[in-house]
Amino acid sequence: KAGVTQTPRYLIKTRGQQVTLSCSPISGHRSVSWYQQTPGQGLQFLFEYFSETQRNKGNFPGRFSGRQFSNSRSEMNVSTLELGDSALYLCASSLGRQGVNTEAFFGQGTRLTVV
Amino acid sequence: AQKITQTQPGMFVQEKEAVTLDCTYDTSDPSYGLFWYKQPSSGEMIFLIYQGSYDQQNATEGRYSLNFQKARKSANLVISASQLGDSAMYFCAMREGVVTGGFKTIFGAGTRLFVKA
Repeated sequence: KAGVTQTPRYLIKTRGQQVTLSCSPISGHRSVSWYQQTPGQGLQFLFEYFSETQRNKGNFPGRFSGRQFSNSRSEMNVSTLELGDSALYLCASSLGRQGVNTEAFFGQGTRLTVV
Repeated sequence: AQKITQTQPGMFVQEKEAVTLDCTYDTSDPSYGLFWYKQPSSGEMIFLIYQGSYDQQNATEGRYSLNFQKARKSANLVISASQLGDSAMYFCAMREGVVTGGFKTIFGAGTRLFVKA
């Protein structure tokens, strides 16, 4: 069974540009969550999607957005990039049952560097 | 308010010995899940163990066990017989949302474990 796939693995962008990151969940998983990981702030929740609907959103500015497609693949977009957006972006997929015992499987992440 | 607290930024343990990584949490939800993840230098988060708030027994998975003390709101990870490959960052996480309906998983700051040969 293929794991969670995130593309690209590495990305370098210039301030002011926008970027789109992609996440393909494990087959059969309907929930996708996104996290930003930085040395200073640790792992911070961005948003979670289930069946193409955003279920929850973290405390990030509107420059951060996401969507989920009918095949459960998800993309997140960051517009008007800032230096502080440099981070490892992790995607996690889960079966998506409503409940607290939903184990999440993570991809290897996309490392974004903004210069 | 900090929901997940990991007070040990770094820990050292001798190979083959046991080590306990601390985690305390805060929630008003009656139902929640507690998780531990391992993150090696490669960056991928690896699921280790899960404990439900209503589970009576402490969870165990191979060399990993979770010391769950609900009244104290602590969920410490115990790794027995440490191996060199256990050197990594360890994150405690909590999933809540029964009350609000907006499920999300939040993570602690992590503990970096160093296993010495």
